[in-house]
Amino acid sequence: DAMVIQNPRYQVTQFGKPVTLSCSQTLNHNVMYWYQQKSSQAPKLLFHYYDKDFNNEADTPDNFQSRRPNTSFCFLDIRSPGLGDAAMYLCATSMSRTYNEQFFGPGTRLTVL
Amino acid sequence: AQSVTQLDSQVPVFEEAPVELRCNYSSSVSVYLFWYVQYPNQGLQLLLKYLSGSTLVKGINGFEAEFNKSQTSFHLRKPSVHISDTAEYFCAVSRMDSSYKLIFGSGTRLLVRP
Repeated sequence: DAMVIQNPRYQVTQFGKPVTLSCSQTLNHNVMYWYQQKSSQAPKLLFHYYDKDFNNEADTPDNFQSRRPNTSFCFLDIRSPGLGDAAMYLCATSMSRTYNEQFFGPGTRLTVL
Repeated sequence: AQSVTQLDSQVPVFEEAPVELRCNYSSSVSVYLFWYVQYPNQGLQLLLKYLSGSTLVKGINGFEAEFNKSQTSFHLRKPSVHISDTAEYFCAVSRMDSSYKLIFGSGTRLLVRP
């Protein structure tokens, strides 16, 4: 089945220790998104890639970076995680920026000690 | 700017009873409207969407929603819920001219009791 896969499902890191979260997709979609969802809150868009074109949201902290080496993979790098970065991180894809159905992965729950 | 309000943070309901989850939005431009469901420790799954046309939209799992432009609402309904419908439900909007960006409401937890 075509899908969006996130690894790992659970990630524990230490305060200030860089961490990378991974997302892959078999849908061959052009757009990949990263959302942050804190406990009992709505998902919040951090950034998205349209093909290789990176688009950062204005209020996304510099601590968050992303890489998309190819169509299938996208990574979220948190350079120096703080306690406030503990959250569920959701990856999503869509066929294009004008095709509005987004397909979500199961998420990675990040714990910062 | 767009915003989405889900007034009910939690809705308890008995199994086989009907349910309505409320969603109101604010926008100065035309929008698309969505409902997503999130089961515990899972990603979001699209239930239904309104793009244009008929204001009554049918989705998966027996859910439907009605777009009311004058009241800027997009309430989600199901005539008879199951235990398995227990989940978090998010209403979302996107601008028609930048439809990639979803603005989510704060979510409503539907708790179905036997």
